[in-house]
Amino acid sequence: EVQLVESGGGLVRPGGSLRLSCAASGFTFNNFAMAWVRQAPGKGLEWVSAISTSGHTTYYADSVKGRFTISRDSSNNTLYLQMNSLRAEDMAVYYCAKDLTPRTTMVWVLDSWGQGTLVTVSS
Amino acid sequence: DIVMTQSPDSLAVSLGERATINCKSSQSLSYSSNNKDCLAWYQQKPGQPPKLLLYWASTRDSGVPDRFRGSGSGTDFTLDITSLQAEDVAVYYCQQYYSVPPLTFGGGTKVEIK
Repeated sequence: EVQLVESGGGLVRPGGSLRLSCAASGFTFNNFAMAWVRQAPGKGLEWVSAISTSGHTTYYADSVKGRFTISRDSSNNTLYLQMNSLRAEDMAVYYCAKDLTPRTTMVWVLDSWGQGTLVTVSS
Repeated sequence: DIVMTQSPDSLAVSLGERATINCKSSQSLSYSSNNKDCLAWYQQKPGQPPKLLLYWASTRDSGVPDRFRGSGSGTDFTLDITSLQAEDVAVYYCQQYYSVPPLTFGGGTKVEIK
């Protein structure tokens, strides 16, 4: 059974940093592109970032480009999102998600999602 | 970026009746390589993460009941819940993957019981 477990969320001041983690199990982590998707309170879904199977190719939404960094560690099957210069508008539940199709460079369809971790940005 | 527009924002349907959700993209999602459309549908129940329902506009993900049916092509798509059950109360999102990045989602449609 695929499991994605996010952690690392919490309260941070504007301008601060946070690193989210997503522990993956139940599938061959190295074979799937991965993504982060966020959802502000009471709002819809917003794609944030994605990473290829190798980790060599990364993609970002314009809203986070230059501030967030996605990475993955195949030795411990973990996806990361380093978030710097956080703003009030970054406050959201952050989900990690797995691509449906193995061995793609970019995520297309997200077939498994974690439960999410809440990031609160407030002074 | 491709803009996805869903309608209505919400709808209330009686148990056993049909619920219809529309999704319109700002450009065609038709993928010439396989003659399919790059459109997925997700269901998000309160307090839960999204769940994949359909992809390629009409292919149900594993375990999804057949009362969930996707149709449409080009720029206009529909999700039908043919006989609404109580457990179908949720927000439904469409998402395009024709031109990525970015993945883009519709604004969501909330389905309730009348």
